[in-house]
Amino acid sequence: SQQGEEDPQALSIQEGENATMNCSYKTSINNLQWYRQNSGRGLVHLILIRSNEREKHSGRLRVTLDTSKKSSSLLITASRAADTASYFCATVLHGSGNTGKLIFGQGTTLQVKP
Amino acid sequence: DVKVTQSSRYLVKRTGEKVFLECVQDMDHENMFWYRQDPGLGLRLIYFSYDVKMKEKGDIPEGYSVSREKKERFSLILESASTNQTSMYLCASSFPRHAIYEQYFGPGTRLTVT
Repeated sequence: SQQGEEDPQALSIQEGENATMNCSYKTSINNLQWYRQNSGRGLVHLILIRSNEREKHSGRLRVTLDTSKKSSSLLITASRAADTASYFCATVLHGSGNTGKLIFGQGTTLQVKP
Repeated sequence: DVKVTQSSRYLVKRTGEKVFLECVQDMDHENMFWYRQDPGLGLRLIYFSYDVKMKEKGDIPEGYSVSREKKERFSLILESASTNQTSMYLCASSFPRHAIYEQYFGPGTRLTVT
């Protein structure tokens, strides 16, 4: 079963604008991760935020986590055409042991127009 | 760098054939996963393994089986391929580092069953 829901499903912006994607989840988590997928390829890990963190930065990426609302957002600043991809959130459920099982959201497709 | 390789990028098989999809990782990861990805449905977990010869069903195991005889190799088997198994198949691996479980993905195999 898919725990994460992402919003919007698709986003189209101009180069240089900021892109914000949201992810909601249903149960307690250990951490939340964001992945990127270029068309027809595998997923690549972007950034992780632990359940006791509220905000994290990595280059042009900013992730926030609100555990009271069970939601996270990914902000890409000063977007580039090369950022065009699908973005997925994934959660590690609290108490999932050492299986490493992730629950993925449906994904947001981002198009950045040059 | 971690490398996860999949035996084929594209595969075309006939209905009823037995299909083997191979995945190999070179970083001594304990955990390995098989997903299928379909438009509008996101990533769905088929099977995963947290140790050699150990396997657990994911969300959609019907019609599939797996084999993990060596730590670096995780095989997905379609016992009798059907057209509804036409999909993108993604393999991933991870290891339990401080319960983070970042997953590393292969490039994917696009399987068409005719």
